[in-house]
Amino acid sequence: EAQVTQNPRYLITVTGKKLTVTCSQNMNHEYMSWYRQDPGLGLRQIYYSMNVEVTDKGDVPEGYKVSRKEKRNFPLILESPSPNQTSLYFCASSLSGTSSAGEQYFGPGTRLTVT
Amino acid sequence: AQSVTQLGSHVSVSEGALVLLRCNYSSSVPPYLFWYVQYPNQGLQLLLKYTTGATLVKGINGFEAEFKKSETSFHLTKPSAHMSDAAEYFCAVSESDSWGKLQFGAGTQVVVTP
Repeated sequence: EAQVTQNPRYLITVTGKKLTVTCSQNMNHEYMSWYRQDPGLGLRQIYYSMNVEVTDKGDVPEGYKVSRKEKRNFPLILESPSPNQTSLYFCASSLSGTSSAGEQYFGPGTRLTVT
Repeated sequence: AQSVTQLGSHVSVSEGALVLLRCNYSSSVPPYLFWYVQYPNQGLQLLLKYTTGATLVKGINGFEAEFKKSETSFHLTKPSAHMSDAAEYFCAVSESDSWGKLQFGAGTQVVVTP
């Protein structure tokens, strides 16, 4: 089954404790992206990757890191989480090219709470 | 830089009535426009998109949207609401010369009443 998987689905952590949220897709998509969803703000893009070893900042990259060492995986790293990073996080992927632009497949989400 | 405005954070419609969700955008270059739907406790799912060509776009579940350049709008409609349409709907825009950067609106929660 074609899908985007995220782990963990739920995470409660403390301020300053480094964490990684994994994202993996099995559709051989070149493009992957991370978003955070907060009430009243919709989804805001954190980072995106057009292909392996190619990443770029979205609208809210501060406090986050990403890497794209292989095509299927795009982990999101919080080096020193803070309470304002408490949010619902989504990973998404798509094929590249204008014909597929924006046709993103979303993972189920990771609900992160930082205390 | 592009931006998206969705008018109305909550919309209530009767079953069988017209669904109309409004979206206006700003973009300095030709935009790519999208509508996504999010059902409770799920990720987002693409309803429809406009990139080039025909300005009236049909999507899944009976939804359609029309790109109006002069009005910078991309409103979503469905002639007859069904109970299963209750969800949150997001309009999104990217720019044709940097389509990887996607900007979402704040979302519109749709409630369908019997």
